[in-house]
Amino acid sequence: DVKVTQSSRYLVKRTGEKVFLECVQDMDHENMFWYRQDPGLGLRLIYFSYDVKMKEKGDIPEGYSVSREKKERFSLILESASTNQTSMYLCASSSVRDEQYFGPGTRLTVT
Amino acid sequence: SQKIEQNSEALNIQEGKTATLTCNYTNYSPAYLQWYRQDPGRGPVFLLLIRENEKEKRKERLKVTFDTTLKQSLFHITASQPADSATYLCAPGGSTLGRLYFGRGTQLTVWP
Repeated sequence: DVKVTQSSRYLVKRTGEKVFLECVQDMDHENMFWYRQDPGLGLRLIYFSYDVKMKEKGDIPEGYSVSREKKERFSLILESASTNQTSMYLCASSSVRDEQYFGPGTRLTVT
Repeated sequence: SQKIEQNSEALNIQEGKTATLTCNYTNYSPAYLQWYRQDPGRGPVFLLLIRENEKEKRKERLKVTFDTTLKQSLFHITASQPADSATYLCAPGGSTLGRLYFGRGTQLTVWP
C-alpha cells in the first residue's frame, strides 16, 4: 500500500520560530510537492521537487524554503513563522506526469 | 497565468440522482486532467485521469469528459449516494515537470 507520511498532524508554534515540516514517501517517486490549503483559497503550491536537490518555486514560495537531500524525503522550512502561515500543509508525491498521492496533512497554528 | 474554475462551491442533490461537476480552465492547454476527492481534514485522493486525446473515461459510477475546444471537463457521479458527499477537485496538468493546477473544489452533498 502506497504511503506518504507527514511528521505531525497538529503543530503549534510561536511567531518567529523556525519550523520544519517533513514528508516521506515510500513509492520511489521522482516528484514531491508541498501545498497549503486555506478555506476559500483551495490548494496552493508552495514548492515542488523533481529530483534530489532539485526544486522549483510554486505559486506562493515567499516565507518558505525546502530541502530534498534524499529521494524519499522532502522538507518544508518556515524560516521565521508568522501568523499568516497558520494553515493546513499537505505533502504529495508522484511519478512524473502521473497522479499525486497525498499525505494526511499537518495543521499548523502560529500564535 | 493559468486559471481553473469549478462551477460552484457547493452542489446539493438527492440520493440516486446524477451529480455533474464542471471544471473550466483558461490560459492553459493541459495534456491531461485529473479529478480528486477530498474529505474534511484529509488529503485529496486521486480518482481519475483523462488525457487530451480521450473524450471520455469511466470508472464504476464515475464518468469524466474532456473537451479541449471548450476548455472544459465534466465529472459525473451516477446513482449518487450519501457516501459520495465530499469536495471534488479538478487539476489540469501536463508540464514537463508534472505539476498540477488545482481548482478550488466543489463541495457535493448527497441527501437521502
